[in-house]
Amino acid sequence: NAGVMQNPRHLVRRRGQEARLRCSPMKGHSHVYWYRQLPEEGLKFMVYLQKENIIDESGMPKERFSAEFPKEGPSILRIQQVVRGDSAAYFCASSPVLSGSNEQFFGPGTRLTVL
Amino acid sequence: EDKVVQSPLSLVVHEGDTVTLNCSYEVTNFRSLLWYKQEKKAPTFLFMLTSSGIEKKSGRLSSILDKKELFSILNITATQTGDSAIYLCAVDLIQGAQKLVFGQGTRLTINP
Repeated sequence: NAGVMQNPRHLVRRRGQEARLRCSPMKGHSHVYWYRQLPEEGLKFMVYLQKENIIDESGMPKERFSAEFPKEGPSILRIQQVVRGDSAAYFCASSPVLSGSNEQFFGPGTRLTVL
Repeated sequence: EDKVVQSPLSLVVHEGDTVTLNCSYEVTNFRSLLWYKQEKKAPTFLFMLTSSGIEKKSGRLSSILDKKELFSILNITATQTGDSAIYLCAVDLIQGAQKLVFGQGTRLTINP
């Protein structure tokens, strides 16, 4: 059973370009979470999705950021018109159908660098 | 605002030493507390704690939760250089949506 897959692992963008980060959850997992980690900081929650639904996006910046988890295919975190402050590691995690606990399994992350 | 605070932020010890990492929290609707180890990439799961006073052990690592005083500790005995990593504490909240609130992490360095 492959773990959580993220791609690309490294992404370099110039200011004003768009960044698309992909996450494939573990097999059998229907819940996806995106976190952002700035240098020397802990992970900060961004958004929680189930298939075709955004459940909680309270950690997402109001502008330029969006996320989706379509019926088929990976979850996508999209950042439009990137700025230098968007440079960070973006981690995706997945968990199975809720069972009273919430052990989340993390992917290897995408390191976004904005020039 | 829900908050998780870890201490120390950074710790350097010699191989063979025992270390204790601390995690305190102020959250509403606590469900469980989780510890992760982060090396160069994905945080890997260590422990999930839901009840006070019950120690969880895995090899040289152990952890315990105190829900009255709102903290947890992670102990590592007979440390090895491979234990060098950032250790993250996170709290899982009971609310409509599931999300983890993370502390800032403790960077542990084990010198040979």
